[in-house]
Amino acid sequence: GENVEQHPSTLSVQEGDSAVIKCTYSDSASNYFPWYKQELGKGSQLIIDIRSNVGEKKDQRIAVTLNKTAKHFSLHITETQPEDSAVYFCAASRVEGAGSYQLTFGKGTKLSVIP
Amino acid sequence: DAGVIQSPRHEVTEMGQEVTLRCKPISGHDYLFWYRQTMMRGLELLIYFNNNVPIDDSGMPEDRFSAKMPNASFSTLKIQPSEPRDSAVYFCASSPGGRGQYFGPGTRLTVL
Repeated sequence: GENVEQHPSTLSVQEGDSAVIKCTYSDSASNYFPWYKQELGKGSQLIIDIRSNVGEKKDQRIAVTLNKTAKHFSLHITETQPEDSAVYFCAASRVEGAGSYQLTFGKGTKLSVIP
Repeated sequence: DAGVIQSPRHEVTEMGQEVTLRCKPISGHDYLFWYRQTMMRGLELLIYFNNNVPIDDSGMPEDRFSAKMPNASFSTLKIQPSEPRDSAVYFCASSPGGRGQYFGPGTRLTVL
């Protein structure tokens, strides 16, 4: 089955700096890679996702890159703000038409943005 | 929409007791997922439903765990009997078509 590794487990950055979280996956058939933000007392919120036919996707201060050959994908947050502090999870899935959508999650990265 | 609703938010029980966790998915979503989150194992998929039908329950740890979805707006995850190692945060998520999953706030379960 799929195995997703996520690094680092904790990350502290100064407000305004960039943060990068990296994930690797094992199943070359995986083709859908979402990122979730989990804040204390709340469920995980989908913040961005990427499909395997795309190498990079941006949404304001957030970007995700995918390297299918190396089987890794990364989350980039620029101009970090204190409200970006949360636990971030990457995930991988093989999506086949109307078939399985099982997500395999990384262990999470606790991001702390220091004002 | 209020989003995915889970109840209770916190549950403390004694070993051997039955625990029932509840989930109301977002209206119109045809997929529902149950996850368990622990420090050691992260987020693990337990079971998921499509149109109220269980599709894959291979993540359910033991026969003590069972899940039902009697209709499109309600699902339960039951643990009977509960054990201390079941202590975790249990998340329910729903999705339109399976891709973008929307998570509930979770139920923090403590089994003493």
